[in-house]
Order: sequence, then C-alpha cells, then structure tokens
Amino acid sequence: SYELTQPPSVSVSPGQTASITCSGDKLGDKYVCWYQQKTGQSPVLVIYEDDKRPSGIPERISGSNSGSTATLTISGTQTIDEADYYCQAWDSSAGVFGGGTKLTVL
Amino acid sequence: EVQLVQSGAEVKKPGESLRISCKGSGYRFTTYWISWVRQMPGKGLEWMGRIDPSDSETNYSPSFQGHVTISADKSISTAYLQWSSLKASDTAMYYCGRGDYSFDSWGQGTLVTVSS
Repeated sequence: SYELTQPPSVSVSPGQTASITCSGDKLGDKYVCWYQQKTGQSPVLVIYEDDKRPSGIPERISGSNSGSTATLTISGTQTIDEADYYCQAWDSSAGVFGGGTKLTVL
Repeated sequence: EVQLVQSGAEVKKPGESLRISCKGSGYRFTTYWISWVRQMPGKGLEWMGRIDPSDSETNYSPSFQGHVTISADKSISTAYLQWSSLKASDTAMYYCGRGDYSFDSWGQGTLVTVSS
C-alpha cells in the first residue's frame, strides 16, 4: 500500500522559517494537502492541491510538491503555529495520511 | 456555515456493536464525499473510508475493509460508521471530514472507548 513519510518532529525559533517534508513514491504526480491539528482539537485544512490556501489561512503558510517530496513551509513562525501537521494524498480511491510531524516553536 | 456534528462519546464492551453518526448542515449534503478518520490515543490520523452520499458509493482503506461499515442517509444529511463486534483496539477518536480530495470541514470527533 502507498505510504507517506514525514519527520516525527521539527523545531524552529520564533520568527524563523519551518519546513516540513512529506515523501512518497512519485508524490509529485499526486495532489497533496496539509492539515494542522492542535492538542485536543479537530484537524484544520491549511493547504490543498499542493499549494492552495483555504480562506482564512495566513499567507505565511505555503506548500509545494515536486518529484517525490511535498513541503509545507511556515514563514515567520509564531507560537500559535505549534501543532501537529499531517500531509495527505490519494492512491487510487484510498486516502493516505503521513505519520505526522510535531512542530515545536521555541 | 458548513458544520459536521458528530454523535457523543461511547463506552462499549468488547463484542458489542456500535454506530456513530455525522450530520452535515449548511450545504447540500449530497455534493461532497464524507470520509471517516481514526486517531488512536497519542497517534496520527488514519483514513478509514468514505461515502458519496448521493448514491452511497463507498471506498475503504485496505486496513479497515471488512472491519467497519460506512453508510449514509441523505434524507437526514447523516453519515454513519458502524462496527458489528468491537475490540479493545477500536478505542480511539473518530472524525468525519467533508471533501472529495481534501477535507475542508471536520466534525468535532467521537471518542469510542472499548473496555471490559
């Protein structure tokens, strides 16, 4: 079955840029979306179709996807960005999530 | 406002059956697929399967095929996730999400606890 691989954790200082990767076989041929999940809350869509932001998501959150790696980038990281982030794609008609990355802002 | 409202927390014994629900409002329910996602305690998100409420077509993850059943009643804008025989390992938070390719709206989650 198809797998998406994310680093378990990423740390960043406030104001710096955080990059979270998501790897999968020929992932660049698929659309990738990203979700943010804060402790005790439901996930929130932050990027869809590789690089599109839903209404209400700040411009400092961006996405890209090429080759076998998709990347979520958060510029000017703030403490409110501290959360778990999950990438997601589709393999035929089955959804697949990455294992998740815990973003720590310190 | 688009909303998905899930049924409340459940505590069940192993071997019991269960059906949890996800009611959509604020949009035409038959327009978007509804997916179910499991999150075991302290773990990540797992896609379980989805349903097209317009015709009840379903897709399942190989990991969950045969273990759960997804259904919908479009007349009351509600999707369901059900088990015929729960196991302790089914203890988790279950979310429903709206969307054909990405999930732009999520339910608040239903906590299912299975314990003898």
